[in-house]
Amino acid sequence: ILNVEQSPQSLHVQEGDSTNFTCSFPSSNFYALHWYRWETAKSPEALFVMTLNGDEKKKGRISATLNTKEGYSYLYIKGSQPEDSATYLCAGNAGNMLTFGGGTRLMVKP
Amino acid sequence: DADVTQTPRNRITKTGKRIMLECSQTKGHDRMYWYRQDPGLGLRLIYYSFDVKDINKGEISDGYSVSRQAQAKFSLSLESAIPNQTALYFCATSDWNGELFFGEGSRLTVL
Repeated sequence: ILNVEQSPQSLHVQEGDSTNFTCSFPSSNFYALHWYRWETAKSPEALFVMTLNGDEKKKGRISATLNTKEGYSYLYIKGSQPEDSATYLCAGNAGNMLTFGGGTRLMVKP
Repeated sequence: DADVTQTPRNRITKTGKRIMLECSQTKGHDRMYWYRQDPGLGLRLIYYSFDVKDINKGEISDGYSVSRQAQAKFSLSLESAIPNQTALYFCATSDWNGELFFGEGSRLTVL
């Protein structure tokens, strides 16, 4: 089981601000890193699945990078909007199981 | 209709009762999972199954059992519920690349 940690636990930003948060994981035995977005009263939905060191993925205003050698991934949101308010979960895969971090709760004020 | 359906969505029960949470999927995925979510702890894996004849324990399987009745169905049972099993439970499926597709969640309260 991987030890996956996310920081910060929560974040308040103003509409229009850009923000980023971190997911860290052990760099050994790494297979894949997932990011999920979880809105209140809904189910988590996948944002990105990344496997390669240096991988960078983008979906609209949201992007993510992966550094497997040092064991971290960053999620960036450019020009935050109130609809970006959600909990962002990362999960590491070192074999058959995904291990989730505790999540970063983002609140975007209008 | 949701691709991954959980029943019941909400259940209140008493300590010692047997509870079953059911999950069915129309995505055609072989892999199915049960997670529980507790505030501040993220999602923790209870059991997973990679096909109908395959059942594996996750991080926190004690007090739970599962049954994979068919490719599309994966049920979670609490043989004798206790209050610290109060949580939000998610079923999920995945294909070969591991991306998870979650059900709507089942909120269980054990009094």
